[in-house]
Amino acid sequence: DQQVKQNSPSLSVQEGRISILNCDYTNSMFDYFLWYKKYPAEGPTFLISISSIKDKNEDGRFTVFLNKSAKHLSLHIVPSQPGDSAVYFCAARWGTSYGKLTFGQGTILTVHP
Amino acid sequence: GAVVSQHPSWVICKSGTSVKIECRSLDFQATTMFWYRQFPKQSLMLMATSNEGSKATYEQGVEKDKFLINHASLTLSTLTVTSAHPEDSSFYICSAGSHDNSPLHFGNGTRLTVT
Repeated sequence: DQQVKQNSPSLSVQEGRISILNCDYTNSMFDYFLWYKKYPAEGPTFLISISSIKDKNEDGRFTVFLNKSAKHLSLHIVPSQPGDSAVYFCAARWGTSYGKLTFGQGTILTVHP
Repeated sequence: GAVVSQHPSWVICKSGTSVKIECRSLDFQATTMFWYRQFPKQSLMLMATSNEGSKATYEQGVEKDKFLINHASLTLSTLTVTSAHPEDSSFYICSAGSHDNSPLHFGNGTRLTVT
């Protein structure tokens, strides 16, 4: 049972444009969501997070939107840069299980110069 | 800089041998660390929670006798894959957080190949 889903395995974007990465979840108990960026043979690097009490969180070029009614979150990267090319994972957790992250399958983002 | 260090970054071993992977928190004390595994083209899956000074808790389907976890200090957790088999070949990643509400920091992972 995949509780966190990233239905797009890959995304290709031109440099300078917006990248939108999507994530859906099924478990309504999730109350905290995170986005991680991962390069091959490395561990994930934390990017940005959002609590379920918010619907938007912004950090520089990265913005995460949360739609609780739709159980959907998205990561916007504006403007996209070639160095953003990586695998992006959304993850979710709930309550006291702060370390137990449920990850999506990941989306490979390629930003073309 | 990296706040969680993992060693080795890759290891090749023969079937039937055991492999130990170390995970250290560099800038903070971690009473709890987490071990994840990622098979090719799949997501990261939590294997177990490592608790300092007590037994680890394992996720469903993970054999505790095969994946031995020791968390002897506040900055070090080890995962030992015992009697490794080719199907254990995977990317193993540890993580830790400095406090309950902080995002987890991940190590760089260990690529295990069992021949």
